[in-house]
Amino acid sequence: TQLLEQSPQFLSIQEGENLTVYCNSSSVFSSLQWYRQEPGEGPVLLVTVVTGGEVKKLKRLTFQFGDARKDSSLHITAAQPGDTGLYLCAVREAGSYQLTFGKGTKLSVIP
Amino acid sequence: EAGVAQSPRYKIIEKRQSVAFWCNPISGHATLYWYQQILGQGPKLLIQFQNNGVVDDSQLPKDRFSAERLKGVDSTLKIQPAKLEDSAVYLCASSRPGQGVEQFFGPGTRLTVL
Repeated sequence: TQLLEQSPQFLSIQEGENLTVYCNSSSVFSSLQWYRQEPGEGPVLLVTVVTGGEVKKLKRLTFQFGDARKDSSLHITAAQPGDTGLYLCAVREAGSYQLTFGKGTKLSVIP
Repeated sequence: EAGVAQSPRYKIIEKRQSVAFWCNPISGHATLYWYQQILGQGPKLLIQFQNNGVVDDSQLPKDRFSAERLKGVDSTLKIQPAKLEDSAVYLCASSRPGQGVEQFFGPGTRLTVL
């Protein structure tokens, strides 16, 4: 059973459009991280959310952690070609050092 | 500050051959991780070191994969013998010790097994 489900798997949009991607699980987590991975590079941490209902903003990116700490969303406003990449969510289960990643959402922003 | 360095960036081998990957973490980072990322998947942790000791290798296929970090700095990951299903990107990451700390990833080594 996949610990984290990310949706959609693929997303192709025009520059300037808004989008939301999701990360869902049936388990409760103490924290959740979002990463962006560009082709040929390793993932880069965007944000860590730890409190149920927490909302964090990073320029045009808005991250929300669900009230029950089982899910999260990432909303991008006015997408730019530079936003193109693989968006991964990752969690660390209680008491574990191990970071578990979802399969990611592959985003393409067309100029 | 220099990032995590990995080499080679690309490697193509035939099945049953051996291959080794090298990682140099960020200076001062005691914790080092090796991940395997198969095409279309997220990274999967293979092994985690704290200095030169293994913290977690529960997902490392120990019949063919081995890793070491002898002096607590650089690390090598070896596959012997390689199988077709080992084709993937092998990512190295490092962090300061502790839970919840940020992991910094290298660019990865893309392995193709023919």
